[in-house]
Amino acid sequence: NAGVTQTPKFQVLKTGQSMTLQCAQDMNHNSMYWYRQDPGMGLRLIYYSASEGTTDKGEVPNGYNVSRLNKREFSLRLESAAPSQTSVYFCASSEAHNGLGTDTQYFGPGTRLTVL
Amino acid sequence: QKEVEQNSGPLSVPEGAIASLNCTYSDRGSQSFFWYRQYSGKSPELIMSIYSNGDKEDGRFTAQLNKASQYVSLLIRDSQPSDSATYLCAVNIATSGTYKYIFGTGTRLKVLA
Repeated sequence: NAGVTQTPKFQVLKTGQSMTLQCAQDMNHNSMYWYRQDPGMGLRLIYYSASEGTTDKGEVPNGYNVSRLNKREFSLRLESAAPSQTSVYFCASSEAHNGLGTDTQYFGPGTRLTVL
Repeated sequence: QKEVEQNSGPLSVPEGAIASLNCTYSDRGSQSFFWYRQYSGKSPELIMSIYSNGDKEDGRFTAQLNKASQYVSLLIRDSQPSDSATYLCAVNIATSGTYKYIFGTGTRLKVLA
């Protein structure tokens, strides 16, 4: 049981390049999330997917797109990378729909992205 | 007003002391409350979750929730140097068939040997 996995761990891009960050979970969770973390800013939600087939914008969606490929996988795409997107990106998942209001979120190891 | 507020610290305590970390939140619809620990360069790791008013204890950690005051705290007893990390407070809010999680910016804790 690997939990939440992310690839790659590190990436350096030039301005204007594109790339996709991959995330997968093996906990049979319904909901998945993408965050970015910058110094002094905490974790900010980029996009989330309540369940397979649905996606919604979070707090900072501009410059990103997402795909919920199936229940396990949720990818984040940068179409034209900008230096302002230099950050650490975390994927997370949660069961949701447990009917108890006690949902808990679990994080992947993160991807450190630098855009030059 | 930020939705989840924490003092950024650093909070310095001597080894063996009690560390007290505090968090306030603005949305009265928040249902669940969490404390995550994050070591430098690592991902957030869940320490405690609390859903009802009062105290919840797990080993050296105690979470306290007061919904009327919109306040949640984490006490770490017998603090160890290995507890030195950033502690993130989070709340979740039901939305569109799932939950959105709102995080504070974190409090950096330093335990001095």
